Amino acid sequence: AQTVTQSQPEMSVQEAETVTLSCTYDTSESDYYLFWYKQPPSRQMILVIRQEAYKQQNATENRFSVNFQKAAKSFSLKISDSQLGDAAMYFCAYRGSRGETSGSRLTFGEGTQLTVNP
Amino acid sequence: DAGVIQSPRHEVTEMGQEVTLRCKLISGHNSLFWYRQTMMRGLELLIYFNNNVPIDDSGMPEDRFSAKMPNASFSTLKIQPSEPRDSAVYFCASSRQGWDGYTFGSGTRLTVV
Repeated sequence: AQTVTQSQPEMSVQEAETVTLSCTYDTSESDYYLFWYKQPPSRQMILVIRQEAYKQQNATENRFSVNFQKAAKSFSLKISDSQLGDAAMYFCAYRGSRGETSGSRLTFGEGTQLTVNP
Repeated sequence: DAGVIQSPRHEVTEMGQEVTLRCKLISGHNSLFWYRQTMMRGLELLIYFNNNVPIDDSGMPEDRFSAKMPNASFSTLKIQPSEPRDSAVYFCASSRQGWDGYTFGSGTRLTVV
C-alpha cells in the first residue's frame, strides 16, 4: 500500500521569505501523480500544485514550485515570497495511475501547519 | 461550475439520532469520495464510488455508516445511530479518472452531543 509521510508537523516563515515543506512517499508503481493541497482556517481543501511522475521537469504555479526526486521518492513544496494568506495546513497526496483502485484513491500525508509571521 | 456542494455546513445532533450528509458532484466527474477529518486521525477515506458503483468501503467505521449514490451527480452519507466519537468534519470530493486531483466540497462539521 502507498504511504505518504510529512515529517514536519509545523513550520513557520517570515513574510516575503521562502519556505520548503517536505514530503516523502512509498510506492511500487512507476507511474503516478503527486499533489499538494492547502487547507486554510476556512477548512476548504484547495489544490495548490500537481506533478506527474513521468515528467522530469518540476511543476511550478506562480510562487509555488516543487522539487520532485523520483528515485528518492521525495516531493517537497517551495513557497517563495511568502504571504500572510499562505498560512494554512498543507497536505501532500499521492494518486496511482493504474486500475480502478489505485487510479482513484488519493492518499494523504499527515499535514504541515504553516505559520507566516508579519 | 458551482463546484462540489455539501450540505449542511454544520450539524449538531444528539447521540442516537440519524444524521444524513449530502453531496452534489461536479458535472462530468465520475468518481465520488467521502473523507472524514479529525485531529487525531487526519484525513481518512471512508468510501468511494466510480460511475455510481461503490468500489472500496473498507474505511467505513462500522455498520452504523452507510453511503449511497442514487445517480451520477448526488450522494448521501448516513450515520444511524450517531455517537459522540463520530464528531468530525466530513468532506465529499469528486474527480475525473486520471491525473486530476480531487475537487473538494466545503465539508460538513458534525458534532454529536
